Amino acid sequence: DTEVTQTPKHLVMGMTNKKSLKCEQHMGHRAMYWYKQKAKKPPELMFVYSYEKLSINESVPSRFSPECPNSSLLNLHLHALQPEDSALYLCASSLDRGNEKLFFGSGTQLSVL
Amino acid sequence: QQQVKQSPQSLIVQKGGISIINCAYENTAFDYFPWYQQFPGKGPALLIAIRPDVSEKKEGRFTISFNKSAKQFSLHIMDSQPGDSATYFCAARDNGGFKTIFGAGTRLFVKA
Repeated sequence: DTEVTQTPKHLVMGMTNKKSLKCEQHMGHRAMYWYKQKAKKPPELMFVYSYEKLSINESVPSRFSPECPNSSLLNLHLHALQPEDSALYLCASSLDRGNEKLFFGSGTQLSVL
Repeated sequence: QQQVKQSPQSLIVQKGGISIINCAYENTAFDYFPWYQQFPGKGPALLIAIRPDVSEKKEGRFTISFNKSAKQFSLHIMDSQPGDSATYFCAARDNGGFKTIFGAGTRLFVKA
């Protein structure tokens, strides 16, 4: 299994809602990432987890809260988002934090109304 | 600060032609240079990658040329096909911070 699975594929939420994005991989990878991608722009790193510990936080606003319950799962909890947070949220994994090859999921297309 | 500069922004090539995308970087701490291919509605997928101690790497129709002294690298797609139409991102990995920095992307359209 060489897939990174993200759910849901699409999400529409209001600015007062709380929602969560989920990511799962079964490749035995120990590093997992959240990226944000705006239309026609490159992916921007948000968070890196290494061995289930938060390793990098790219100064992301606290309305985004990551969680890594175990080595296969990564969540992104969303609360009080702004319309400008609308984007494609991509999860990725790699063998470990030092391994360069990233495997991306198909993303969650988020719209904040 | 844009650490990896990519050009052109968009590219139209005839079927069977050669597509060339160029990237430049400044940070000498970069130690790995991948190219990712992204189709609409999908996440990026690793296409081919090179390390700075190699000047060229070829995988099928895809070739990376790397010029360490000029801090430039490029992707050549030979015999371009309509199925190659996608957005291509060059990238560089910072060995100190373990981050992958992406270029701005090139939207390639191959005309049948």
